[in-house]
Amino acid sequence: RKEVEQDPGPFNVPEGATVAFNCTYSNSASQSFFWYRQDCRKEPKLLMSVYSSGNEDGRFTAQLNRASQYISLLIRDSKLSDSATYLCVVILPYSGAGSYQLTFGKGTKLSVIP
Amino acid sequence: NAGVTQTPKFRVLKTGQSMTLLCAQDMNHEYMYWYRQDPGMGLRLIHYSVGEGTTAKGEVPDGYNVSRLKKQNFLLGLESAAPSQTSVYFCASRPGDSLNTDTQYFGPGTRLTVL
Repeated sequence: RKEVEQDPGPFNVPEGATVAFNCTYSNSASQSFFWYRQDCRKEPKLLMSVYSSGNEDGRFTAQLNRASQYISLLIRDSKLSDSATYLCVVILPYSGAGSYQLTFGKGTKLSVIP
Repeated sequence: NAGVTQTPKFRVLKTGQSMTLLCAQDMNHEYMYWYRQDPGMGLRLIHYSVGEGTTAKGEVPDGYNVSRLKKQNFLLGLESAAPSQTSVYFCASRPGDSLNTDTQYFGPGTRLTVL
């Protein structure tokens, strides 16, 4: 089982729709979780952290389910500008290698259609 | 602040040639990373550095070397380029190693093609 798995999509949704992505992780001792956004041919950028209690930032809501080992991202009222690839990122337990390691999922592609 | 910059933006090499990719950050970050991103593979860590003068291997270090002689610069070298090293290379930096210091700042990437 891969450490971090995402549905690659693409998810094609109309403007104004609500869309949700899930990401599963294999290491139950994983420490921290994030969603990054990557636009076509651009670098990844942090979208939001994922806290145990869940967190919301405007139209975006992130949830963590430790029991089932997945995180989710919900986007409400989708905009054309939300079209991008969304990367799930997990920090694995410290391995003594000098730095926490971020493990990236392969990403879920979202296309918001007019 | 320029953030994280990468040089060059694009490069085409022939098999066996060597080159160095430069990453520079002006945020005084301790930690710096080199990733490669291939279609269907996601981002994979090549090497990283936890401070000036230190380097460590990541997930896919073979065929690459790195150096961090100055805190602000992290160099990635390809000694003898192979077609399998055709990829987009991203550099990233991070202020510290706290679990809460989560933000990695990425450079714009270098698109490398090895023929």
